[in-house]
Amino acid sequence: DGGITQSPKYLFRKEGQNVTLSCEQNLNHDAMYWYRQDPGQGLRLIYYSQIVNDFQKGDIAEGYSVSREKKESFPLTVTSAQKNPTAFYLCASSIARTYGYTFGSGTRLTVV
Amino acid sequence: RKEVEQDPGPFNVPEGATVAFNCTYSNSASQSFFWYRQDCRKEPKLLMSVYSSGNEDGRFTAQLNRASQYISLLIRDSKLSDSATYLCVVNMGRAGNTPLVFGKGTRLSVIA
Repeated sequence: DGGITQSPKYLFRKEGQNVTLSCEQNLNHDAMYWYRQDPGQGLRLIYYSQIVNDFQKGDIAEGYSVSREKKESFPLTVTSAQKNPTAFYLCASSIARTYGYTFGSGTRLTVV
Repeated sequence: RKEVEQDPGPFNVPEGATVAFNCTYSNSASQSFFWYRQDCRKEPKLLMSVYSSGNEDGRFTAQLNRASQYISLLIRDSKLSDSATYLCVVNMGRAGNTPLVFGKGTRLSVIA
């Protein structure tokens, strides 16, 4: 079955470390997105990519980096420059805006 | 004015009740509209797209009012399993595959 897979489900990071969250889709979608959600809050866009080897900053890109070397994969690195990284991270993909997004099941990142 | 606004709730309703949520959007050029459902600590899932003529899926009815720039979601005969946060999502009509804009969500609790 086609879908979008995020790993790991839970991730613990020490202060000062970089960590990378994985997002893989086999839906043949061109566009992929990363969102952050804090408790009781809405989704905030971190980065998005419309095609391979191209990506754009979202509303809260500072302290994050991405790459899009393959259509299927859009990993997100949370760097040590991100001062408050504890959150629920959601990856999504779409074939076109008119069809909405498919989300992965998310990664919960906690700084310890 | 925020791009997509929703009443955060919570809406606490008894089983069997009818409940309606509204959502307003700021850009009159917006083209596509969706309602997503998000359960606690889970990813958002597409509930239904919203078409100009309005559309119904079982107990759920979605309507669009372009003149007043709002969309609505009506849930009839509420079930306990309908308890969730409902997200209003809008394509703001900008060129290219630019991201959809998410509202912060309306929380619904259906009580036995």
